[in-house]
Order: sequence, then structure tokens, then C-alpha cells
Amino acid sequence: EVQLVQSGAEVKKPGESLKISCKGSGYSFTNYWIGWVRQMPGKGLEWMGIIYPGDSDTRYSPSFQGQVTISADKSISTAYLQWSSLKASDTAMYYCARQGITAAPSAFDIWGQGTMVTVSS
Amino acid sequence: DIVMTQSPDSLAVSLGERATINCKSSQSVLYSSTNKNYLAWYQQKPGQPPKLLIYWASTRESGVPDRFSGSGSGTDFTLTISSLQAEDVAVYYCQQYYITPHTFGQGTKLEIK
Repeated sequence: EVQLVQSGAEVKKPGESLKISCKGSGYSFTNYWIGWVRQMPGKGLEWMGIIYPGDSDTRYSPSFQGQVTISADKSISTAYLQWSSLKASDTAMYYCARQGITAAPSAFDIWGQGTMVTVSS
Repeated sequence: DIVMTQSPDSLAVSLGERATINCKSSQSVLYSSTNKNYLAWYQQKPGQPPKLLIYWASTRESGVPDRFSGSGSGTDFTLTISSLQAEDVAVYYCQQYYITPHTFGQGTKLEIK
């Protein structure tokens, strides 16, 4: 079964760092772009960026460039989203998702279950 | 960035009736060399991740009921549910994947009248 399994919910304080993960299984992880999508409480979906695990080519939305870092470790089929200094406004559900076509722009066909990040003092 | 604008923001339809959601992109998402529209539709139910319904503007994802259909080209697209079922209550999003960032519409909330 093709699936993406994300790390568990996090509660952090402003200024702390955080790295959440997304592990792929059931397919060739290196050959499909993985994206990250933010959903703030009660709001819509925001595309943050994507990474191609085969060569770590990464594209960011201008809205998130410099605010987060997307990376991947193809040896363990895992993508990451990290923050160096969290803000309260980073409180959201974060989804990883796979683009459905090898090495080409396409829709997200497989989604992780989501990781809730809460930032509060 | 390409701006995706959905209409309406919310919609109430009777069971068995047709539901129509529109999505307009600020620039064409039709790629001339492939003649494909880089446009997808997703369904999100409360407490769940989004689910892909339609890609290439009109291709139904495997397992999606045939009451869901997508149409349109260039900048104007439509998701139609031909006969609304109770389980279709959700928020629906369009997304363009023509150019990064692959922006989403703001979402349309579909309810039962």
C-alpha cells in the first residue's frame, strides 16, 4: 500500500525549533515530488513547497521562503519540514503529500494524515 | 503567483440535486505542448486530509464515484456533483499545478439544504 505517515502532534513555545517528518512507503520514494501544505485552524489549504527526493531539488512558495526548510533523506524515505524559530502564527495542521506522476508537475494523489503543530507560551 | 478564485464560498444543495462549484485562475493553466490543463480538485471532510477527486481538469481519480465530474479549460473550471449524496458534505478546493507555487483556491463549503 502506498502511504505517507507523518510524525505526531507537537506543542512548542515561541522561539523553539522543530522538525516534523513524513515517511513514504509502498513506492519508489526517490522518484516522486513530495509537497508540504499548511492549514491554519478553520482555514484553507496553503501550498508551502515541494522537494524531489532523488536529487533534493526544492521549490518554495514565496510566502514561506526563508520561514521554513524542506529537506529529505532518501536513504530512509523521509521528507522533513523544519523551523528554526517558531511563532504563534505557525500554529496549524501540516500535511505532506505526493505528486502522482514521476518527476513531473501533477496533482497530490497521496496525503499524509497531518501533523498538528501548536505554538503557545 | 497564480491566484485561484472559487465561487461560491458556500453552497447548500438538496439531496439528489446537482451541485456546481466554479474555479477561476488568474492566468491560463493550459500547457500548450501537452494540451492539458494543470488543474485538480480535492475534497476535504472534517478531521481528514484532502482527497484527490479530479486531475488534468477532467480525469477522475481511481475510486471516485462517477457523479463527480470536472470540466473547463484555460482559466475557467467547474466541478459538478450530479446527484448530491449525504457523504458529499465537505469543503472542495481547486489547485493549479502549472507553475510553482501550486496555489489552491480558498475552498467552497458544500452543505445539505
